[in-house]
Amino acid sequence: AQSVSQHNHHVILSEAASLELGCNYSYGGTVNLFWYVQYPGQHLQLLLKYFSGDPLVKGIKGFEAEFIKSKFSFNLRKPSVQWSDTAEYFCAVNAHTGTASKLTFGTGTRLQVTL
Amino acid sequence: GAVVSQHPSWVICKSGTSVKIECRSLDFQATTMFWYRQFPKQSLMLMATSNEGSKATYEQGVEKDKFLINHASLTLSTLTVTSAHPEDSSFYICSARDPYFDEQYFGPGTRLTVT
Repeated sequence: AQSVSQHNHHVILSEAASLELGCNYSYGGTVNLFWYVQYPGQHLQLLLKYFSGDPLVKGIKGFEAEFIKSKFSFNLRKPSVQWSDTAEYFCAVNAHTGTASKLTFGTGTRLQVTL
Repeated sequence: GAVVSQHPSWVICKSGTSVKIECRSLDFQATTMFWYRQFPKQSLMLMATSNEGSKATYEQGVEKDKFLINHASLTLSTLTVTSAHPEDSSFYICSARDPYFDEQYFGPGTRLTVT
């Protein structure tokens, strides 16, 4: 079975600082990778996804993530965070096991951006 | 983007009663819907996969007789928590898979409190 690890549980940054959130997964086969964001009081929204092709994926709101297959990683980055980026971020993996859309989520990273 | 609604958004019930939560895909047909449970400050845990016109597939450790899932149409899945107990209090989130884009869209969640 696949698993997802997010090592940063709570990150506090000042506005304009750069962000990198770690995500590692455990699965030996082909995977689809996702980053979701959950703003306070709101539902999960897709930030970006990787299915195949260019391992550097650009998403909404200036976020990007890089898939490094050799490291089983899919870290999320943003060059300059804003206060409005304060939210919970979840990495998720969809392993190609036949139940193609069965997502496994990481434990989440709470990002707090201060002014 | 695609919209998934949940009703109710929050519910308080007494121990021993049953509660039904609805999940609807508003602008697309979803042959597959998913039910998750989210504990405070924790990740989403997949409870079951709901397939239109067939029985739901439950994850290990989830009691199918306690969490009844019905997926009667391509736009509606329901989760009924039967004989609820305080430990069932949680945030329940559904998602619907858009087969065209192979992407899951999440509902806003339902907060259940069992007294």
